[in-house]
Amino acid sequence: AQSVAQPEDQVNVAEGNPLTVKCTYSVSGNPYLFWYVQYPNRGLQFLLKYITGDNLVKGSYGFEAEFNKSQTSFHLKKPSALVSDSALYFCAVRDRAGGSYIPTFGRGTSLIVHP
Amino acid sequence: GAVVSQHPSRVICKSGTSVKIECRSLDFQATTMFWYRQFPKQSLMLMATSNEGSKATYEQGVEKDKFLINHASLTLSTLTVTSAHPEDSSFYICSASLLRGGIDTQYFGPGTRLTVL
Repeated sequence: AQSVAQPEDQVNVAEGNPLTVKCTYSVSGNPYLFWYVQYPNRGLQFLLKYITGDNLVKGSYGFEAEFNKSQTSFHLKKPSALVSDSALYFCAVRDRAGGSYIPTFGRGTSLIVHP
Repeated sequence: GAVVSQHPSRVICKSGTSVKIECRSLDFQATTMFWYRQFPKQSLMLMATSNEGSKATYEQGVEKDKFLINHASLTLSTLTVTSAHPEDSSFYICSASLLRGGIDTQYFGPGTRLTVL
């Protein structure tokens, strides 16, 4: 079975400050991990993914995420937040060992960047 | 690359009518497409998985006779909401799967806002 948790419904950060959006996962084997962003009334846009290799994954718009196997986490980060980063962020996981090739999505975290 | 479009972006219809939503992968062929439903401030709910040339696989609790899915080609899947009712009002999002970087990655359409009066 695979599951993913985004413990924060909302994250508030001031523009220019670093941001972190948290994600933890549970899988039977090793995970594939994804981050997506959704702007209002739009579909999801792919940001980045972890398959294997370096634990730090760099993605679109200056975002990066760090895979931490011991903590089963894949937190999304950005060194300096922009107001335009305000959106809904979804983490997703897929178990390499599982039979399903469909990822499970978290409930989403609303990021609000204040000017 | 990996652009997915949906049409229409917004539709308002009367109760009892049927509505068709198209999902297209514009610059790649997708053997698998997915249909999701999203309620306000909630996550995505997977409705069905659509494979080209075969019947869709519906998630538990999704009425296949109400939500008809056709995947006629490698670039087009359609979702038809039959005999729509106000409770079917929602944001419907499709995605298409593309093998990239060693793994199938889903790329999403912009969504369709359905309002049933």
